Amino acid sequence: GESVGLHLPTLSVQEGDNSIINCAYSNSASDYFIWYKQESGKGPQFIIDIRSNMDKRQGQRVTVLLNKTVKHLSLQIAATQPGDSAVYFCAERAMDTGRRALTFGSGTRLQVQP
Amino acid sequence: GVTQSPTHLIKTRGQQVTLRCSSQSGHNTVSWYQQALGQGPQFIFQYYREEENGRGNFPPRFSGLQFPNDSSELNVNALELDDSALYLCASSSNEDTQYFGPGTRLTVL
Repeated sequence: GESVGLHLPTLSVQEGDNSIINCAYSNSASDYFIWYKQESGKGPQFIIDIRSNMDKRQGQRVTVLLNKTVKHLSLQIAATQPGDSAVYFCAERAMDTGRRALTFGSGTRLQVQP
Repeated sequence: GVTQSPTHLIKTRGQQVTLRCSSQSGHNTVSWYQQALGQGPQFIFQYYREEENGRGNFPPRFSGLQFPNDSSELNVNALELDDSALYLCASSSNEDTQYFGPGTRLTVL
């Protein structure tokens, strides 16, 4: 399949460790944030989302933290597994656009070493 | 889920192309994105109840349609080499989460 993200920042972790992927966003008017996982040759897959009135949200093995003061978003993956290897994108939606268009970050490649 | 066709497509410069998307059942909003190799998806435009509901920084030769049966099209005229990319369709309901299809890989020679 095709290769997604040939020159992306890469985070390499050992299987079983926790992973933290960071993202800085630019628009202070953004009110909604999503993390997507994209495997080679596939479309982005929804992981977890958070609204701007929250600072933390937990899912199954994943946690998203939002710091609006410094416009920073992070995705924490607990007990990282080889199947977690992919490119991860954060995306934001600005409430001043009047539509649901998402603006994506440049992505981070997560490599899980067995 | 969201489906797209075709999976891969090869065209030559100057040609026209139509890409298709079938939204998740019940979703009234469809968005199209272009993803160049090594980059995040970029918003092309969005359709809500068959009307264009916003557009990104793409020229008018990129156009779209949304049909009542949850399907939509992206049309690109006068193809250029830089149009080579993965084209993604995403659908959403009145909730904010956008669910993506697998994409169509377009290669322009």
